[in-house]
Amino acid sequence: GENVEQHPSTLSVQEGDSAVIKCTYSDSASNYFPWYKQELGKGPQLIIDIRSNVGEKKDQRIAVTLNKTAKHFSLHITETQPEDSAVYFCAASPNQAGTALIFGKGTTLSVSS
Amino acid sequence: GAGVSQSPSNKVTEKGKDVELRCDPISGHTALYWYRQSLGQGLEFLIYFQGNSAPDKSGLPSDRFSAERTGGSVSTLTIQRTQQEDSAVYLCASSLGGGVENTIYFGEGSWLTVV
Repeated sequence: GENVEQHPSTLSVQEGDSAVIKCTYSDSASNYFPWYKQELGKGPQLIIDIRSNVGEKKDQRIAVTLNKTAKHFSLHITETQPEDSAVYFCAASPNQAGTALIFGKGTTLSVSS
Repeated sequence: GAGVSQSPSNKVTEKGKDVELRCDPISGHTALYWYRQSLGQGLEFLIYFQGNSAPDKSGLPSDRFSAERTGGSVSTLTIQRTQQEDSAVYLCASSLGGGVENTIYFGEGSWLTVV
């Protein structure tokens, strides 16, 4: 089955710096890759996603890139702010109808001002 | 409702007791998922319901875990004879359909502590 690896597990940056989180997946047939942000005591919330027919997607300060050949995808946050501090999860969807997302173990991002 | 609703939000139970966790998905969502999140860990898939199809139970860790979804809406996750390793946050999610084109929305979770 699908396996998703996520790095780093923790990331500390100064306000205004960029942050990059990387994930790899094992199932070459996976075709949907969302990123979720989880704040303390809350459920995960979708922040951006990418499908296998594109290589990059951007939404304001957040961007995601996908390399299907290498089976990895990354989240890029520019001009980080303290409110970006949270746990970020990547996920991959195996290319089978009716299957659930498989998640990485998460990255705890701390943005200090 | 506005989002996925879960209850109870917190539950402390004694080892060996049974617990039931409830999930109300977003109205109209046919797909419903249960995940488990242990301290410092990722989201572990447990079970997935899609419409009237047989549920995907491949993630349930043991036969002490079961889930049902009545009337295609509300779901209950039951853990029998709870063990300390069952302590975790149990997250429910729903989506409009089961395909990858449908965004999955999570509830805030039920925090279970087994003492």
